[in-house]
Amino acid sequence: QKEVEQDPGPLSVPEGAIVSLNCTYSNSAFQYFMWYRQYSRKGPELLMYTYSSGNKEDGRFTAQVDKSSKYISLFIRDSQPSDSATYLCAMDRGSNYKLTFGKGTLLTVNP
Amino acid sequence: EAGVAQSPRYKIIEKRQSVAFWCNPISGHATLYWYQQILGQGPKLLIQFQNNGVVDDSQLPKDRFSAERLKGVDSTLKIQPAKLEDSAVYLCASSLGSEQYFGPGTRLTVT
Repeated sequence: QKEVEQDPGPLSVPEGAIVSLNCTYSNSAFQYFMWYRQYSRKGPELLMYTYSSGNKEDGRFTAQVDKSSKYISLFIRDSQPSDSATYLCAMDRGSNYKLTFGKGTLLTVNP
Repeated sequence: EAGVAQSPRYKIIEKRQSVAFWCNPISGHATLYWYQQILGQGPKLLIQFQNNGVVDDSQLPKDRFSAERLKGVDSTLKIQPAKLEDSAVYLCASSLGSEQYFGPGTRLTVT
């Protein structure tokens, strides 16, 4: 079993839809949870960073962490064509900032 | 603030040849990472430096890969000899704390 599982998609939605992206993990040592966005032929950029269970909101993005279920989600409201990218979840034990990434989910938002 | 710089952006070599990648992190960032991202996968950490010392190189194939970070600033990653399965994007990232900033990557194709 991989430490971090992420459905690779692809996921295609119409503009304005609510998007839900998910990851599960098996290692309870993970303490910090991140979502990165990666455009084609670019490096990943950090979108959201959370520590505790619960929700964290930033504009149209909401990150949700459920440590008891070892499940994290990223919600995108009012999705835009510019949101079309690969979304990677990443996790860290917190000891030396070593990230373990999911495979990434390819999202396409159609105008 | 200038981002993480990497060169070259693209490289095509034949198997058994050698290749080197260069990374210039964000000024003042003590920690530097090299990741390998195979098509359709999330980034996998190869090596982590803190200043010019190695923190973690447990996933670096040391029979063919080497990396150095002289003077705690720039870093080079070398592959010698290259194999077909080394075809991937090599990402460099740097950080002050937990947030990692990625460069655009070097896309390596081994034929």
